[in-house]
Amino acid sequence: DVKVTQSSRYLVKRTGEKVFLECVQDMDHENMFWYRQDPGLGLRLIYFSYDVKMKEKGDIPEGYSVSREKKERFSLILESASTNQTSMYLCASSLVVGLAGGFTDTQYFGPGTRLTVL
Amino acid sequence: AQTVTQSQPEMSVQEAETVTLSCTYDTSENNYYLFWYKQPPSRQMILVIRQEAYKQQNATENRFSVNFQKAAKSFSLKISDSQLGDTAMYFCAFMKLSGTYKYIFGTGTRLKVLA
Repeated sequence: DVKVTQSSRYLVKRTGEKVFLECVQDMDHENMFWYRQDPGLGLRLIYFSYDVKMKEKGDIPEGYSVSREKKERFSLILESASTNQTSMYLCASSLVVGLAGGFTDTQYFGPGTRLTVL
Repeated sequence: AQTVTQSQPEMSVQEAETVTLSCTYDTSENNYYLFWYKQPPSRQMILVIRQEAYKQQNATENRFSVNFQKAAKSFSLKISDSQLGDTAMYFCAFMKLSGTYKYIFGTGTRLKVLA
């Protein structure tokens, strides 16, 4: 089974602090993702990475940056945390596999980090 | 732009009964994948079922099945013989296969199975 782990389940930070959220997957997946989950808004993609040192902005990248120095690890960085970044953060990974005529891309999720910014 | 809509924020069902969760989407793409994910309380989100748009046959996984209506852009999830362990948040998701990566989730439906 694929295992995706996140460094913390719960995190409390102060406004203005630099925050690091770490995600590690153990299945050699090329793709990794960071989402934030808010009630009534579903999951919104912050950033994704399709290879080491490669990254692409998602739908809501403002206020965030990412780092992927190794294939198994994808970090989300809040340079200066703000109260509107209080949320549940989900990491996911996926392996794009070619099937006849198409591709499948099941995402495997970590347990989430509930971040509170005071 | 693609959108995914889940119009039922919350639903409940009696144990052993059948329930259907609705999902509609909007896209101009012809080739794409659709997914239902389940997020149990305080547990990790997992894939329930996937459907390839080029397949006419509806996907089935044990007690879970979908009703995929491509022309209507509808993708509902049917859970038969509901169990207490089915209590979870369910997300519908869309993934397009061409151009830039796009994986879009709906806002979710919270399902509670009642004993």
